[in-house]
Amino acid sequence: AQSVTQLDSQVPVFEEAPVELRCNYSSSVSVYLFWYVQYPNQGLQLLLKYLSGSTLVKGINGFEAEFNKSQTSFHLRKPSVHISDTAEYFCAVRKAAGNKLTFGGGTRVLVKP
Amino acid sequence: DAGVTQSPTHLIKTRGQQVTLRCSPKSGHDTVSWYQQALGQGPQFIFQYYEEEERQRGNFPDRFSGHQFPNYSSELNVNALLLGDSALYLCASSLWEAEAFFGQGTRLTVV
Repeated sequence: AQSVTQLDSQVPVFEEAPVELRCNYSSSVSVYLFWYVQYPNQGLQLLLKYLSGSTLVKGINGFEAEFNKSQTSFHLRKPSVHISDTAEYFCAVRKAAGNKLTFGGGTRVLVKP
Repeated sequence: DAGVTQSPTHLIKTRGQQVTLRCSPKSGHDTVSWYQQALGQGPQFIFQYYEEEERQRGNFPDRFSGHQFPNYSSELNVNALLLGDSALYLCASSLWEAEAFFGQGTRLTVV
């Protein structure tokens, strides 16, 4: 079975400052890794994904994440946040075969002016 | 392309009642998965349908059941509703093991 831990439940950050959201996972098999964003009263939107290849993955809205196999981490970063980045962010894993997603508990990002 | 559409958007039910939620997948997708997202938590996998059969199931009781129709749309049924079933129910569609796209969800409140 897979599990995902998002180490920060809330991250306050000032506008134009950088932000890093931490994600660690556990799995006995190879996994794919994902970051999703959820705006208030909406569904989930895919920010980026790691399937294979380069460990630095670039996504939409200026986000990027780095896969670290030895540390079983997949941290999300953005060099300069906007007010519109205020949302909840979920890290998720799935086995390479299959499409059941296992999510972390989420990190709420609040961008302050 | 309408994307994944779910209905209704909001629903209020009484304990003990039954509820049916509906999902239309993104055009071209053949696989539908359902997730339950309780307030302040991450989504939890309920089950997945492919070729009109339940292919995988998460740790949910038999009160949760589903169906997939020949046009790939899907229903989630919950019987004997409990207060703890109050949550956002998310539908995700994909082309089998490819990337999943999520709908806006149905907010179920059990009173």
